[in-house]
Amino acid sequence: SQTIHQWPATLVQPVGSPLSLECTVEGTSNPNLYWYRQAAGRGLQLLFYSVGIGQISSEVPQNLSASRPQDRQFILSSKKLLLSDSGFYLCAWTGQLGGYTFGSGTRLTVV
Amino acid sequence: QKEVEQNSGPLSVPEGAIASLNCTYSDRGSQSFFWYRQYSGKSPELIMFIYSNGDKEDGRFTAQLNKASQYVSLLIRDSQPSDSATYLCAVRSSGTYKYIFGTGTRLKVLA
Repeated sequence: SQTIHQWPATLVQPVGSPLSLECTVEGTSNPNLYWYRQAAGRGLQLLFYSVGIGQISSEVPQNLSASRPQDRQFILSSKKLLLSDSGFYLCAWTGQLGGYTFGSGTRLTVV
Repeated sequence: QKEVEQNSGPLSVPEGAIASLNCTYSDRGSQSFFWYRQYSGKSPELIMFIYSNGDKEDGRFTAQLNKASQYVSLLIRDSQPSDSATYLCAVRSSGTYKYIFGTGTRLKVLA
């Protein structure tokens, strides 16, 4: 069966520090992968999506970046965090039926 | 700008009643429609998807789609306190890998 792993679960980082969030998928090959952010009380905002290794599409101009170094690995990074980067970060992949399966999420607080 | 709109709620229903959640979308090219349930502090979980006009039933859940009116709804029969959560509507346009989410409707089932 397919599973998606995302870590860490929670993170408190100072302003200006770097960020690296990792997501891996098991049990499938060549999945479409997504990074979303959900700010407190807000909807889900698509940040990046990838349809293959090295293929990244960015949806929102910001100080975040994404990379896909392996087929089932998706990484979200930042060189310098801003207060506005706080939120709940979700990795997701789409299966054959098209719906998302989300990871358990990372709650990031920038202080 | 493609949009998905939901009433933020809260929608309060007594235990055992039918909860009706609604969603409208702006892109007439949309082909796939999804409902997710999100408990507080958790990641969204796919509960229903529908692709064709009409009704689709799965246990206590029924999804209804009307493409002419650009309207999709979710009915929850025999509502239980454990159904209390935020319900997110998501829409995928044809020819894209992107899903647009509504901001969600908070449902409260009163025991």
